Amino acid sequence: SAVISQKPSRDICQRGTSLTIQCQVDSQVTMMFWYRQQPGQSLTLIATANQGSEATYESGFVIDKFPISRPNLTFSTLTVSNMSPEDSSIYLCSVEEDRGNEQYFGPGTRLTVT
Amino acid sequence: GQNIDQPTEMTATEGAIVQINCTYQTSGFNGLFWYQQHAGEAPTFLSYNVLDGLEEKGRFSSFLSRSKGYSYLLLKELQMKDSASYLCASRNSNSGYALNFGKGTSLLVTP
Repeated sequence: SAVISQKPSRDICQRGTSLTIQCQVDSQVTMMFWYRQQPGQSLTLIATANQGSEATYESGFVIDKFPISRPNLTFSTLTVSNMSPEDSSIYLCSVEEDRGNEQYFGPGTRLTVT
Repeated sequence: GQNIDQPTEMTATEGAIVQINCTYQTSGFNGLFWYQQHAGEAPTFLSYNVLDGLEEKGRFSSFLSRSKGYSYLLLKELQMKDSASYLCASRNSNSGYALNFGKGTSLLVTP
C-alpha cells in the first residue's frame, strides 16, 4: 500500500494567519483527496486534487479559503487561509492507488487556531 | 442522496463476534469501504466491496448487497485492541471517486 506522510503533524496558529499542509506519497498516484475531521465528527471531503486538473471543491469549501496545489503525482499542498477557531480540525490527505481501488490516508495534521 | 447510516455505539465482549451494519443511498455507487480509526489516529483501510457478497480477510469480513443498499462489517474473535471507531464510506463515481463517510460506529470491547 502507498505510504503517505504529512507535514506538519500538528500546529497551533493565530487567528487570521495561514498554514500550508504538505502531503507526500511514496508512489505516483493520480487521485488525491483532502478531508477534514472536526472533533468528535466523521470525515468531510474538502476537495479532490487529481494531478493534471484543477481541484474540485465540495459544497461549503472554496478555493480562496482552501487553495490546493498538485504539482506532480506524488505531492500536494492544502492551505488553510485567514484562519479562525472554527478551522481547528484534523486535516487528512488520502490517495487511491492507480492500480487498485483501495484508498489510504495520511497520518493527518492537527490544527488548533487560537 | 448521500446518506450513510450506521449505529453510533456498540459494545461486545472479548472473544465474541460483532456485526456492524451500514446502509447507504447513493447515486453512481462505485464501492463500499470500511475503515478502523483509533482515537487520535488516522483511519486505517479495512475492506472494499463493489460486488455483492462476502469478502473475508482474517478476523474481519465485509458484506455487500447493492440491491438493498446494505453492508456489514463482521469482526470475529474480538480483542481489546479492536475497540475503535469503524467508519463506513461509499464511493461515488459522480464525485470524482471521493468517499462519503458515515458518522462512524464506536465499538467498545469489554473483558
